[in-house]
Parts: sequence; structure tokens; C-alpha cells
Amino acid sequence: NAGVTQTPKFQVLKTGQSMTLQCAQDMNHEYMSWYRQDPGMGLRLIHYSVGAGITDQGEVPNGYNVSRSTTEDFPLRLLSAAPSQTSVYFCASSYSLGEPEQYFGPGTRLTVT
Amino acid sequence: AQSVTQLGSHVSVSEGALVLLRCNYSSSVPPYLFWYVQYPNQGLQLLLKYTSAATLVKGINGFEAEFKKSETSFHLTKPSAHMSDAAEYFCAVRTGYALNFGKGTSLLVTP
Repeated sequence: NAGVTQTPKFQVLKTGQSMTLQCAQDMNHEYMSWYRQDPGMGLRLIHYSVGAGITDQGEVPNGYNVSRSTTEDFPLRLLSAAPSQTSVYFCASSYSLGEPEQYFGPGTRLTVT
Repeated sequence: AQSVTQLGSHVSVSEGALVLLRCNYSSSVPPYLFWYVQYPNQGLQLLLKYTSAATLVKGINGFEAEFKKSETSFHLTKPSAHMSDAAEYFCAVRTGYALNFGKGTSLLVTP
């Protein structure tokens, strides 16, 4: 198993550009989520999905869009990038709500200039 | 909402000394609690987890944590620090479908 994979590892965007951060897992996990990590803030939940076709907002959803068309993939879209979205983004997954542990991807470091 | 507070954003210890990283939780129900470690420029790795079984939880790399309900604490300890323990440590509590993370504690190990 590759676990949770994320692409790209690094990305630089200009303000106003759009892009999609990719996340995939091969563990047949129902639950997937996106976090952003900022210095001194810990990790904060952006969006999550409890299964294909079902998504919901987390703590900091503004400026981001998600969809879940398959169990394996959970892409995060930045519609119009802003400097405030400069961050490290982590995708995570778990088998179900009853399974407490989440498995994290390696992260995507995004810089918006 | 369930939350955690990590006391001390930076902790410095000498190699071979005791490591103690503090985490207090706020929860109205028995929580699931976690400690994660993040090495520079890497993702998060699970150190250990508490899921209401044993109150003393042993993790990887010689770390352990004790769940104390009376103190609402879940402090992380290691008897003897190693240089390779230098990293950022995050305490987290499961709340609904997600994890609520503390702000992190950066551990510095000096020779």
C-alpha cells in the first residue's frame, strides 16, 4: 500500500490563479480530510468527506472547494489563490468514524505571491 | 467542542534528560487523544494514541503518555532524550469526524 499520497510536493502560485491539490489513498478508507498547517497555529481542518459524494466544511473552508467522486481521491481546489493561503496542506484518511486514527500524507507546500 | 492546549511552544532539554511535553484536553465525553511528531519538512507521524483502554499508553521511539482524567491531561514523556527526538510535537483530540490539534511544541535537544 502506498498509503496517502499528495501531489505536488511544492507549488508557487500568483495571486488570483487557481489550482488543484491532489490527494489519493489506497486503503479503502471512507473518511478523508484536508488540513492546513501554519506556524504557531497547529493544523486546522478545511474540508472533510465521509464517503463518495459527501463532503462538508471544517474550521477554515473559505477559498477552497472539494469534491469526492471516488473513494480513493479527494482533491482540494483553490479557486482564486490569495497570499493568506500560503501554507502547508495535509490530506488525511481513516477507515471510518469508529476508527480513531488518521493517516496523513506527506504534505504540499504552497506559496502564493 | 473538544480541544487541546499544549503548554510551551518551545521546550529545550539536554541529551539524556527527561522529556516532558504537556497537553491538557477539554472534553465532555471520554476522548480519543493522540500525539503526533513532525520532523523538519516531513509529514505527521503517529507517536501514540489513547482510546479509553489502558491509561498509560506506550508509543514508538520510547515515548509514552498517561491519560489522567482528574487533571484532564495527556502529557508525553520519554526518560532519556536523544538528538534525533528534535522535532515538532502535536497533541490532538478526535472530535466528530476530525482531529483538533494543539498549536504544537518544538523540542530542541542540546548535546
